[in-house]
Amino acid sequence: DTEVTQTPKHLVMGMTNKKSLKCEQHMGHRAMYWYKQKAKKPPELMFVYSYEKLSINESVPSRFSPECPNSSLLNLHLHALQPEDSALYLCASSQVGAGTEAFFGQGTRLTVV
Amino acid sequence: GEDVEQSLFLSVREGDSSVINCTYTDSSSTYLYWYKQEPGAGLQLLTYIFSNMDMKQDQRLTVLLNKKDKHLSLRIADTQTGDSAIYFCADRTPQTGANNLFFGTGTRLTVIP
Repeated sequence: DTEVTQTPKHLVMGMTNKKSLKCEQHMGHRAMYWYKQKAKKPPELMFVYSYEKLSINESVPSRFSPECPNSSLLNLHLHALQPEDSALYLCASSQVGAGTEAFFGQGTRLTVV
Repeated sequence: GEDVEQSLFLSVREGDSSVINCTYTDSSSTYLYWYKQEPGAGLQLLTYIFSNMDMKQDQRLTVLLNKKDKHLSLRIADTQTGDSAIYFCADRTPQTGANNLFFGTGTRLTVIP
């Protein structure tokens, strides 16, 4: 099983809503990531969890709140988002260590209205 | 910070070889990766190369690395219409044990039947 599963696939939310994106993997990976990808742009790193602890936060606004409840799950809680936050949100996982492959999910396409 | 550059577009005829180029600036990059992204989808890892290697071949894919010039290329032999996609090169920043990737700008490959 080399699959990273993200739900939902599509999400439309208002600027006052609270929603969560979910990511799950069962490959025994202990590093998990959130990336944001705007249209026609490369993915940009948002957060990295290593052994269920937040190890990197790339200066992401506090309206994005990550959570890693266990080694298989990664959530991204969204609150008071802006229309410019509309993007494809990609989750990835990998072993911790050099040269390991990062596997990506299919992404959640988020539209903020 | 790291800068990873790619040409934006490449068109080839079906059956020809495609060569996608990438340049990077971080000389401490240890691993370099090629990912494929089809429209509306997540990222698929194609192959990766360790920085002490010059070449890696995997079926139709050949990766060449010139570490002195910080130049990476991906050659796809016998290109098929199913190879049409955006191709991202990425390097791994050696800051943490986790596999945080820095992506290039992406090259949109169009295969003409």
